[in-house]
Amino acid sequence: GQNIDQPTEMTATEGAIVQINCTYQTSGFNGLFWYQQHAGEAPTFLSYNVLDGLEEKGRFSSFLSRSKGYSYLLLKELQMKDSASYLCAVRDSNYQLIWGAGTKLIIKP
Amino acid sequence: SQTIHQWPATLVQPVGSPLSLECTVEGTSNPNLYWYRQAAGRGLQLLFYSVGIGQISSEVPQNLSASRPQDRQFILSSKKLLLSDSGFYLCAWRGGSFEAGELFFGEGSRLTVL
Repeated sequence: GQNIDQPTEMTATEGAIVQINCTYQTSGFNGLFWYQQHAGEAPTFLSYNVLDGLEEKGRFSSFLSRSKGYSYLLLKELQMKDSASYLCAVRDSNYQLIWGAGTKLIIKP
Repeated sequence: SQTIHQWPATLVQPVGSPLSLECTVEGTSNPNLYWYRQAAGRGLQLLFYSVGIGQISSEVPQNLSASRPQDRQFILSSKKLLLSDSGFYLCAWRGGSFEAGELFFGEGSRLTVL
């Protein structure tokens, strides 16, 4: 079966750095996405990786290793507004998105 | 610019009652449209997707149905709701770059079936 694993919850301190991991086992691979979802709201797109390596977008970076079935989202200079759930999703060989359950990130002052 | 809207935002319905959630997209033509359901502690579950008017693909057998009467309109319906239909429903369209084709979501509709 297809599976996406990410930690259920993480806690970090304002101003610090946090890394949210995602491991996947899917039927084929056609890209990995990270989305941010604030409580009670819809997900919003953060990043896309299809090749190995690091993609940087301001305070957020996303890394992919296809051989290891692994990705992480790195958030720097954490702000209180970064408190949200972070969803990892993989597009499989049928171009269908397989979603992880999300990691709830709690930022403390 | 492209926008997507869905409504209603919140609804509380009794078991056995009908359901209609509506989603519209503006600023694009012939979009790929999706209905997802999100349950607490679980990943988004794809319910239906549509690549054009009248073209609906169902991913999960259930008592829900979808229709696409117009190019930019996508409707999720049920004739008789079950308790298990409670959840957060999200409409989305596939936009973004040609390669990534990330999803853009509507505001979401929280359904509680009592």
